[in-house]
Amino acid sequence: EDQVTQSPEALRLQEGESSSLNCSYTVSGLRGLFWYRQDPGKGPEFLFTLYSAGEEKEKERLKATLTKKESFLHITAPKPEDSATYLCAVSSGNTPLVFGKGTRLSVIA
Amino acid sequence: DGGITQSPKYLFRKEGQNVTLSCEQNLNHDAMYWYRQDPGQGLRLIYYSQIVNDFQKGDIAEGYSVSREKKESFPLTVTSAQKNPTAFYLCASRRKGLAGDWGPTDTQYFGPGTRLTVL
Repeated sequence: EDQVTQSPEALRLQEGESSSLNCSYTVSGLRGLFWYRQDPGKGPEFLFTLYSAGEEKEKERLKATLTKKESFLHITAPKPEDSATYLCAVSSGNTPLVFGKGTRLSVIA
Repeated sequence: DGGITQSPKYLFRKEGQNVTLSCEQNLNHDAMYWYRQDPGQGLRLIYYSQIVNDFQKGDIAEGYSVSREKKESFPLTVTSAQKNPTAFYLCASRRKGLAGDWGPTDTQYFGPGTRLTVL
């Protein structure tokens, strides 16, 4: 059974304090790992898709990396507007995505 | 403007009532999904459909029903059998359904959500 575990559950950072969010997974044949950002009361917003170990993707202050067992979402010099819940999900084909419970990030000015 | 729409944004239900949540997409996606989100529990899959006129139960289907008569529409009915329906409901869609080889363009997109409250 595919599983996704995200850590930490919650993270509080000072503005400018870089850090990483972790997504550990077990899946029978990874077809894709997805990162989403979710603001309170809104639907998740797609950020990145990663497909193979060693792959990296960047968008503004965010960089996602992938190994054979986990993915990291690195946040460089975060700003208060980066505060959100970040969700990770894996796909093993045409079955539904398996989601982690998310990491709730708070960035304090 | 392509995307997924959900309506209404807020819905209030009296105990014993059935209510239907709407989800429409104009992305020409084959697969559509319904999730429930409660604080601290992440996303839980209710039902999904990978092709018109077919759907499968997810992890928490009891007390819910769906239909998929058109490719672009996947309404969810919350029945009176659902014991604790107060939650945030999210609809999603994905390009590929049953057929084809899943790959780089098979991102799943979400609608804005419907918040259901039982009075």
